Amino acid sequence: DAKTTQPNSMESNEEEPVHLPCNHSTISGTDYIHWYRQLPSQGPEYVIHGLTSNVNNRMASLAIAEDRKSSTLILHRATLRDAAVYYCASGGGADGLTFGKGTHLIIQP
Amino acid sequence: GAVVSQHPSWVICKSGTSVKIECRSLDFQATTMFWYRQFPKQSLMLMATSNEGSKATYEQGVEKDKFLINHASLTLSTLTVTSAHPEDSSFYICSASGERGYNEQFFGPGTRLTVL
Repeated sequence: DAKTTQPNSMESNEEEPVHLPCNHSTISGTDYIHWYRQLPSQGPEYVIHGLTSNVNNRMASLAIAEDRKSSTLILHRATLRDAAVYYCASGGGADGLTFGKGTHLIIQP
Repeated sequence: GAVVSQHPSWVICKSGTSVKIECRSLDFQATTMFWYRQFPKQSLMLMATSNEGSKATYEQGVEKDKFLINHASLTLSTLTVTSAHPEDSSFYICSASGERGYNEQFFGPGTRLTVL
């Protein structure tokens, strides 16, 4: 199984960019890299996912290392509403997702 | 994005009883549904994978006779926790994938189970 590691917590200031790292050194060649975020007592909210190329959507950008052993979720301009636990996960398709332990993102006003 | 619902959102039961949790994909057909469990301040752990019309595949260490999964239609999967005990108290979350994106999983809001 892929092992996914993330920092326990990160802190940033409002309206500044945030870079959340994730290591997935044992990811298989067909596993996608997914990012979700979660608020207390709620289900995970989809943020972004990708396979090899960098991806952008209205919420964030995903930068994937060339060897796919790491990725970075980029929030371009953090707001207070972006405070949450951010999970990096690998898998997809017919397989379930293997989640990292999550990074608790704190946004300072 | 696609919408997945769960019912109930929370349930309290006595030890030894069984509890059924429903997971529905509201606006798409889910060929595959997944069940996860999340203990307080921990990450999500995959319990099982179910495909419509076939038996579920359980992760190592998850008792298939205790956690019964049924995926009878493309929009509904159920998880029944049989003979629940306090250690089964957890946040149970389902996800679904299918025609809305094979590699995407859409998560439900979760069900909080408390066993007294």
